[in-house]
Amino acid sequence: EPEVTQTPSHQVTQMGQEVILRCVPISNHLYFYWYRQILGQKVEFLVSFYNNEISEKSEIFDDQFSVERPDGSNFTLKIRSTKLEDSAMYFCASRAGARVSTNEQFFGPGTRLTVL
Amino acid sequence: AQSVTQPDIHITVSEGASLELRCNYSYGATPYLFWYVQSPGQGLQLLLKYFSGDTLVQGIKGFEAEFKRSQSSFNLRKPSVHWSDAAEYFCAVGAQSNDYKLSFGAGTTVTVRA
Repeated sequence: EPEVTQTPSHQVTQMGQEVILRCVPISNHLYFYWYRQILGQKVEFLVSFYNNEISEKSEIFDDQFSVERPDGSNFTLKIRSTKLEDSAMYFCASRAGARVSTNEQFFGPGTRLTVL
Repeated sequence: AQSVTQPDIHITVSEGASLELRCNYSYGATPYLFWYVQSPGQGLQLLLKYFSGDTLVQGIKGFEAEFKRSQSSFNLRKPSVHWSDAAEYFCAVGAQSNDYKLSFGAGTTVTVRA
């Protein structure tokens, strides 16, 4: 069964460093998302991406964040200068298409980012 | 704006007992509603979803949920829980108008005692 994969599973970085979190969505999916979950809190939407551009972003997704689909398979989230409060589990998700019957998002296993 | 409330932070049930997790949503138009389960250290797995039709939906692992528009609720139920159902459960709402971005509730942690 096709699944969303994410690498790495755990990333430790120093404050101020850049990190890139990688995701491989399900191959025929067209819509891509990033969410994060700070420890003990709820899952929060960060950004959605379609047709090579951001379609919606939350207030969390400030200028330090960027997303990219550099090739036909990867979808990346870059945090330019990490802060302590960026420590969280980051989930990638993908969705097949625009029809109601394809509105389910499939989530990856997450990348735990720890900023020291 | 869409939002979800899960009133119960933590529920403990005995194995074999029934389980009901509450979810209330706020959204002006027809919502698309989802229940996800997250086991410790794992990602989010979809249990079931509702977007139209029969208001009682069946999901995986023996779960079901009922959409009640009048109460703005989408409660999750299971008639008989198994120890493996111990996990955190998230209700989420999405909308076609904003690319189905999901707004999640705070989650309910379910503990199953023998």
